[in-house]
Amino acid sequence: DIVMTQSPDSLAVSLGERATINCKSSQSVLYSSNNKNSLAWYQQKPGQPPKLLIYWTSTRESGVPDRFSGSGSGTDFTLTISSLQAEDVAVYYCQQYYSTPLTFGGGTKVEIK
Amino acid sequence: QVQLQQSGPGLVKPSQTLSLTCAISGDSVSSDSTAWNWIRQSPSRGLEWLGRTYYRSKWYNDYAVSVKSRITINADASKNQFSLQLNSVTPEDTAVYFCVRGYALGIWGQGTMITVSS
Repeated sequence: DIVMTQSPDSLAVSLGERATINCKSSQSVLYSSNNKNSLAWYQQKPGQPPKLLIYWTSTRESGVPDRFSGSGSGTDFTLTISSLQAEDVAVYYCQQYYSTPLTFGGGTKVEIK
Repeated sequence: QVQLQQSGPGLVKPSQTLSLTCAISGDSVSSDSTAWNWIRQSPSRGLEWLGRTYYRSKWYNDYAVSVKSRITINADASKNQFSLQLNSVTPEDTAVYFCVRGYALGIWGQGTMITVSS
């Protein structure tokens, strides 16, 4: 199984400041057919299912604000919220879809400082 | 737009079978470009993928090793839905269960809180 390790577990950021979440996979998730990493990011608010924000490491899902961006290569990936808004308070997860079992990171809770 | 609507009982007795159904609107369970997953979430286990079904000229299933001896995922093309059966449940199977479309998981059902208790 590919183990996904997120850091930090929680993060408090001032409104308008940058939030950075890290995710490390235990092995490569590079999909050879398109040379892209099979890495996605989700946002989950209480009582709701996770919402897909980013896939293929850096492609934003339709309707996701451009303050959310993803980057990374190899086994190290990052989700950045460039200017934190109040509505961004949530838990964020990374996930690999390179192979089964699909696996998720443990989550990062983002709060307002 | 694509929507997934889950149905099924929220309380299951230990040793019995958990059964959930996911009705699809706006897409086809027989689509050859996606997959249909069951995922659960609990405080102790986080987000846990259980398995999936998909159609590529014939039906395929993949299951998590942790539940492989107890799980069945079936697709019903006539009703455009797919289902989860988990046998011999224990309190450790208590969780919120989601049906989800995709590989990057773009469409989620509303979630069903399943409690395993006598």
